[in-house]
Amino acid sequence: AQKITQTQPGMFVQEKEAVTLDCTYDTSDPSYGLFWYKQPSSGEMIFLIYQGSYDQQNATEGRYSLNFQKARKSANLVISASQLGDSAMYFCAMREEASPTGANSKLTFGKGITLSVRP
Amino acid sequence: DAMVIQNPRYQVTQFGKPVTLSCSQTLNHNVMYWYQQKSSQAPKLLFHYYDKDFNNEADTPDNFQSRRPNTSFCFLDIRSPGLGDAAMYLCATSRDLLWGAVYEQYFGPGTRLTVT
Repeated sequence: AQKITQTQPGMFVQEKEAVTLDCTYDTSDPSYGLFWYKQPSSGEMIFLIYQGSYDQQNATEGRYSLNFQKARKSANLVISASQLGDSAMYFCAMREEASPTGANSKLTFGKGITLSVRP
Repeated sequence: DAMVIQNPRYQVTQFGKPVTLSCSQTLNHNVMYWYQQKSSQAPKLLFHYYDKDFNNEADTPDNFQSRRPNTSFCFLDIRSPGLGDAAMYLCATSRDLLWGAVYEQYFGPGTRLTVT
């Protein structure tokens, strides 16, 4: 089973409007972290926001917020007041608790969602 | 103030000609990762170093090797590049891998490899 699922094929949003990018995950570990990265056409992966599995509140970073619903295993990214520069690929990723040997140390990425912001 | 630096940004190599990609970091992080990302796909982890300990992913081809001579530098060596190895190669770092902790990964800008 896929650990991270991003099923939206491509999203369009009007400039200045809000948009939600969906992400569901699958893990049996009680401790894990969920990340969202932005990848513009230049290729660099830019960290946006992080949510820990034990965090009581939804994470927020400026215009980015994470709608974390633990029971439903979803971690949707909400971008408020979209800007033209938000056009990019967005990846949801999960990292499960690191073991003493370093196993499970990797980020598991979803397939990504392309967001296009229209002027 | 780049924290994870990759050189070169673009690399063209010939089929079968060995190539080395470079990554350096100013964060003093213990862990360094190499990912391969093909067009419109998610990054795929090739291997990572935890300090000097090398951890290879099970499905990483033998054609890919890595070296980490010190904390700051990590190299990706492709011994005999094939056309299928054309991709973006991303280097990332994280502070540690301590038990019970989840650390963010910081990515470099990537090296786009073309194989002719």
